[in-house]
Amino acid sequence: GAVVSQHPSRVICKSGTSVKIECRSLDFQATTMFWYRQFPKQSLMLMATSNEGSKATYEQGVEKDKFLINHASLTLSTLTVTSAHPEDSSFYICSPSVGSGGLSEVETQYFGPGTRLLVL
Amino acid sequence: GQQLNQSPQSMFIQEGEDVSMNCTSSSIFNTWLWYKQDPGEGPVLLIALYKAGELTSNGRLTAQFGITRKDSFLNISASIPSDVGIYFCAGLIQGAQKLVFGQGTRLTINP
Repeated sequence: GAVVSQHPSRVICKSGTSVKIECRSLDFQATTMFWYRQFPKQSLMLMATSNEGSKATYEQGVEKDKFLINHASLTLSTLTVTSAHPEDSSFYICSPSVGSGGLSEVETQYFGPGTRLLVL
Repeated sequence: GQQLNQSPQSMFIQEGEDVSMNCTSSSIFNTWLWYKQDPGEGPVLLIALYKAGELTSNGRLTAQFGITRKDSFLNISASIPSDVGIYFCAGLIQGAQKLVFGQGTRLTINP
């Protein structure tokens, strides 16, 4: 199966600092990248969708200036949490997709192992 | 927005028992998927369903796409310890690019 890596796997930071999370698709090219956030004992909530070389589309209620997404290549996307606060503590999961998403391509939407962020 | 109601939220069973969980929605979905998430990991796809009424198996797992296209269930037969985890249903609406996830079912197995 497809291999997706996220780095770091865990990060603890002080309130007010910025944290960058990297997501790499190691053996395939991801046309589309989905970023999810998961709070404890809750479901995955989509934060934003990005296509390689284009600006990300953010879901309602997700601040684009706080969660900066860069999808500069087909194998790498980054999520930067700027000026992190304790309420940003969560499990962040990237999900690269071979296609643009949609009916025929859901099976080629893979999930990274996640990054646990704790903001003190 | 679209919501998936997944139940039960949690299950505590004995090893060897069968498990059943389901998802319902007020919206029609064109695709239903079932994922398993282990602690500290991302979800892994178990089964994908594309047609109303479709019944698909993957080893001890069986899932069905409801006739109304508004529901789906997942069954696990003869549970084993490695089945422990959180199971999520997810759906895709026609023309949509993004998945909608259910709230998850946390499965705990007593040996």
